[in-house]
Amino acid sequence: DAGVIQSPRHEVTEMGQEVTLRCKPISGHNSLFWYRQTMMRGLELLIYFNNNVPIDDSGMPEDRFSAKMPNASFSTLKIQPSEPRDSAVYFCASSLMPQPQHFGDGTRLSIL
Amino acid sequence: DQQVKQNSPSLSVQEGRISILNCDYTNSMFDYFLWYKKYPAEGPTFLISISSIKDKNEDGRFTVFLNKSAKHLSLHIVPSQPGDSAVYFCAAGFGTDGNNRLAFGKGNQVVVIP
Repeated sequence: DAGVIQSPRHEVTEMGQEVTLRCKPISGHNSLFWYRQTMMRGLELLIYFNNNVPIDDSGMPEDRFSAKMPNASFSTLKIQPSEPRDSAVYFCASSLMPQPQHFGDGTRLSIL
Repeated sequence: DQQVKQNSPSLSVQEGRISILNCDYTNSMFDYFLWYKKYPAEGPTFLISISSIKDKNEDGRFTVFLNKSAKHLSLHIVPSQPGDSAVYFCAAGFGTDGNNRLAFGKGNQVVVIP
C-alpha cells in the first residue's frame, strides 16, 4: 500500500524565495495534516484539513505560510517569502477518522 | 508552552531487557494518548494508543499505562530488540477532535544494545 508521499525530500533555497512543499495523502483518507519539526519546539501542528476544508490553521506561524488542498489527493504548503528560521523538517500526515495519523517521510527544508 | 513533556531524552538498554519511556502532560482535558516511533529520515509511525477510560493497553511487546490523576503515561517495551532503536514520541488529544489536534512531546531516543 502506498503511504503518504511528500515531495521534495530535501529543499535548499535562498532567503526570500518561494518554497512549495507537496503532499499526496493515502487514498481514502479524509483528514490531512501539516506539521513542522524543529529541535527547539519539537513536532508542531500547523494546519489540518477535513474533507479538503481547512479546519484549524491556528498553528500557522505567519501570513508567509499558506496551505491548500484543492482535491482529496493533493495538498501544498507554501512559504513566501522564506526566511532562515523556517528551516525545519515538514511532515504531512493523513488519516481516516478515528484512526491514527499516518505520516510521510518529511521534507527537510534549509533556507540559506 | 509544552503541553506534553518527555524528559530523559535518551535511553540505552540491553537487548532482552525492558525499556520504559515516560510522558507527562499538563492539560487535564486530554483524553486520548498515542505513542509514535520514528526512525532516522522517516516519518513517525503509530505504535499504540490509549483512551482515558482505560489505564492500560497492551499490544504484543508494547504496553501503555495511563495514570490520569498524575497526568502521566508510560510505554513499556519488553523484551527490547535492536529494531526498537528509534525515537519515541508521546502525543495527546481531546474531544471529538481527539485524533486531529494532537500535541506531541519532543521525543525519547532509545538505543537497544545487542
